[in-house]
Amino acid sequence: AQSVTQLDSQVPVFEEAPVELRCNYSSSVSVYLFWYVQYPNQGLQLLLKYLSGSTLVKSINGFEAEFNKSQTSFHLRKPSVHISDTAEYFCAVSSFGGYQKVTFGTGTKLQVIP
Amino acid sequence: KAGVTQTPRYLIKTRGQQVTLSCSPISGHRSVSWYQQTPGQGLQFLFEYFSETQRNKGNFPGRFSGRQFSNSRSEMNVSTLELGDSALYLCASSLAEAIQETQYFGPGTRLLVL
Repeated sequence: AQSVTQLDSQVPVFEEAPVELRCNYSSSVSVYLFWYVQYPNQGLQLLLKYLSGSTLVKSINGFEAEFNKSQTSFHLRKPSVHISDTAEYFCAVSSFGGYQKVTFGTGTKLQVIP
Repeated sequence: KAGVTQTPRYLIKTRGQQVTLSCSPISGHRSVSWYQQTPGQGLQFLFEYFSETQRNKGNFPGRFSGRQFSNSRSEMNVSTLELGDSALYLCASSLAEAIQETQYFGPGTRLLVL
C-alpha cells in the first residue's frame, strides 16, 4: 500500500516570496512521484514528475521538486511566486509496475498575496 | 488536439437514482482513469480501463461501475445514489497504461445528490 501526506492544507505567501509545499510519501516498493496543480474551477494539470534519474525535476513555470529517498519526501519549491500561482497543489505517488493507479495527497492551497 | 471532455458538466440527482457519466479521451489515448474528488476525502482513484478492460480498481462499493468502448470512450455508472456520492468526478486519459505516461485530466462532472 502507498500513501501521501501533505501536512499543510493552506499556505499563504506574499507575491515574489519563495514557497515550499511539503509532501511525504509511504510505500513498501519503489515509486514514481508527481505534483499536480488545480486552478479554480478547472481540472488537474501535471506540474512535474519524477520517474528515475536526476532527483531534481523542474517544471516550465519555475517550480521544482527534489526526490529524497531517505526522507521519503518530494517537496515542491518556487523561488519567487506570482499571483497566477494561486491554486491547489496535489502531491501523488504510484508504485513501480503499477498501471495508472495514482494515490493523491489531500492537497495544499497556495494563496499568493499581492 | 482536443483535450479530455466530460459530459455532463453538472448534474443534480436524488437519493436512490442512478447516474451515468461520460468521458471522451484525447484522440489516440487508450487508457482512461476515473477519480472522485470530495472536500473530505480528497482525490480517490475509482478505476482504470485500457483497451476495454478494467486494469485497476479502487476501494469503492459495487454501486460504482464503469466500462470502456472500442473507441476508448468511457462511462462510469453509480447506482442507488447516496448523499455522500456528491462529488467532482474526474476522468483522465493517457496514451498507454504504463504509469510513465502522463495523465491528462478533464474538467470533471460535478454531481450533487439531494
